[in-house]
Amino acid sequence: KNEVEQSPQNLTAQEGEFITINCSYSVGISALHWLQQHPGGGIVSLFMLSSGKKKHGRLIATINIQEKHSSLHITASHPRDSAVYICAVGPNEKLTFGTGTRLTIIP
Amino acid sequence: DVKVTQSSRYLVKRTGEKVFLECVQDMDHENMFWYRQDPGLGLRLIYFSYDVKMKEKGDIPEGYSVSREKKERFSLILESASTNQTSMYLCASRTGGFGYTFGSGTRLTVV
Repeated sequence: KNEVEQSPQNLTAQEGEFITINCSYSVGISALHWLQQHPGGGIVSLFMLSSGKKKHGRLIATINIQEKHSSLHITASHPRDSAVYICAVGPNEKLTFGTGTRLTIIP
Repeated sequence: DVKVTQSSRYLVKRTGEKVFLECVQDMDHENMFWYRQDPGLGLRLIYFSYDVKMKEKGDIPEGYSVSREKKERFSLILESASTNQTSMYLCASRTGGFGYTFGSGTRLTVV
């Protein structure tokens, strides 16, 4: 069973700062997912990646398969980015989820 | 706008009741999932289905069953609700190679 560790657990930053959230996992995977959960529970899929780097707007996700590590970066952070960011990995559909990083962006 | 719809946002049930949680997706996705989310534990997979009438156990299937009679609908059944099944339940769907689409969740309280 995969273990997924996210860091930090909580992160507070000022608007405009560059944000990095980390995810480490312990075994081989076929894909890693980054999810965003806003207060109230709704979850949005941000990225699915198995190698390299993906970018969508101000969000960038990278993965290093050899080091079993992924990072989610947010450039020019905004209060609307405040949410819980969740990393999930798996060899198949049976994903293992991290417990999330709670991000708060202060205006 | 594509979506996954869960039938109830909040639900309160009594211990021992049979509880049905319904999930419908309009994206013709093959795969559908039921998760529960508890503080400090993250999301945990209860069951998933990769086709009509097909199901596979996740990490915590005990006390639950599922039904998928039509491609768009995936039901989670709590055979005899217990207080330790009080949780947020999230349904999701996906098709191969793409990310997940989640429903807005059902917060179930068993009293």
